[in-house]
Amino acid sequence: DAGVTQSPTHLIKTRGQQVTLRCSPKSGHDTVSWYQQALGQGPQFIFQYYEEEERQRGNFPDRFSGHQFPNYSSELNVNALLLGDSALYLCASSQVSVEKLFFGSGTQLSVL
Amino acid sequence: DAKTTQPTSMDCAEGRAANLPCNHSTISGNEYVYWYRQIHSQGPQYIIHGLKNNETNEMASLIITEDRKSSTLILPHATLRDTAVYYCIVNQAGTALIFGKGTTLSVSS
Repeated sequence: DAGVTQSPTHLIKTRGQQVTLRCSPKSGHDTVSWYQQALGQGPQFIFQYYEEEERQRGNFPDRFSGHQFPNYSSELNVNALLLGDSALYLCASSQVSVEKLFFGSGTQLSVL
Repeated sequence: DAKTTQPTSMDCAEGRAANLPCNHSTISGNEYVYWYRQIHSQGPQYIIHGLKNNETNEMASLIITEDRKSSTLILPHATLRDTAVYYCIVNQAGTALIFGKGTTLSVSS
């Protein structure tokens, strides 16, 4: 049983560009959460998707948007990239009735 | 903002018990205590959670004080592979987990 898979594993972009990160949840999971982790910090909650709707959102600007597909996979989009967006982006999946999160290994985004 | 306070770092000898403390003095009656850990270059991994009773699983034990204002995660026989950042999180069911900076546990031989 594959766990949470994220792609790509590494990405380099330039300021002002747009990026899309992808996540496939663990089998049987219907909820996907996205986190941003800067170097030396704990993960910061971006948003959570359930039934293709954004269910909760953290303190991130509208440049950060997402989508969940009928097969429960999800995308995180970031527009107008800033240097400060350089971070590890983590996807976590869960079942809506169960609080236990399973995390992927993340996508390391570098903005130059 | 995180609702918990943890020491920045701790050391433990291999084979000994690692006791990681967490203060959560403002915890509400319907909030759970969760513990996750993050090994370098990996995503966080769930360890254990509890509401008010002590809990044990194959990874660790969670001891919650009677007033629920603090808790301790116990790794009974620490190994080198337990070296990681350990996050204590207080969370209401149905809401997003909010991570703090955690405790960096270093296990040495």
